[in-house]
Amino acid sequence: NAGVMQNPRHLVRRRGQEARLRCSPMKGHSHVYWYRQLPEEGLKFMVYLQKENIIDESGMPKERFSAEFPKEGPSILRIQQVVRGDSAAYFCASSPWDTRTSGANVLTFGAGSRLTVL
Amino acid sequence: SQQGEEDPQALSIQEGENATMNCSYKTSINNLQWYRQNSGRGLVHLILIRSNEREKHSGRLRVTLDTSKKSSSLLITASRAADTASYFCATPAGTSYGKLTFGQGTILTVHP
Repeated sequence: NAGVMQNPRHLVRRRGQEARLRCSPMKGHSHVYWYRQLPEEGLKFMVYLQKENIIDESGMPKERFSAEFPKEGPSILRIQQVVRGDSAAYFCASSPWDTRTSGANVLTFGAGSRLTVL
Repeated sequence: SQQGEEDPQALSIQEGENATMNCSYKTSINNLQWYRQNSGRGLVHLILIRSNEREKHSGRLRVTLDTSKKSSSLLITASRAADTASYFCATPAGTSYGKLTFGQGTILTVHP
């Protein structure tokens, strides 16, 4: 079981370019979460997705950021026209079921994608 | 201040000593979790304690939860150099699903 796989691990972009971060959840997990960690800070929730559905995007910036989790393939976090303030570590996590029903929300995290905007 | 604040921000101890980290939160919760993050890596779940539990053990970890004070503590006994990491508490953000609020973490350094 390979765990939650994220790629790329490191991404460098110039201001104005696009960044695409990918996440493959653990085998058997159908729920994906994206978090952002700014330097020296804790993680901040961005978005919660199931296959082909965005369940909660309350933590996503209103502009330039989008996320998807298609029927086939990994979840993608897309940042258009990146700015220096987007430099951060972006973590994906997954869970095997809708944790609203289980009442327990233990997440399995990937190793993260570190975005640097020059 | 935000939900899930850890204290102290940094802790430096010698191998074999115990390390205690504290977490305070603001709203009512039904569970609280602790995660560890090694430098440059993702978070690893350590332990979950439910609101009807006062104390929970897992190996060298002991977690307490005081819902009246809205606080939790994580104790690592007989620490090892490999315990060097950042430790975060996390609470549900409103509803019981994978939307968590993390504190800013305690950086623990264990010197050999």
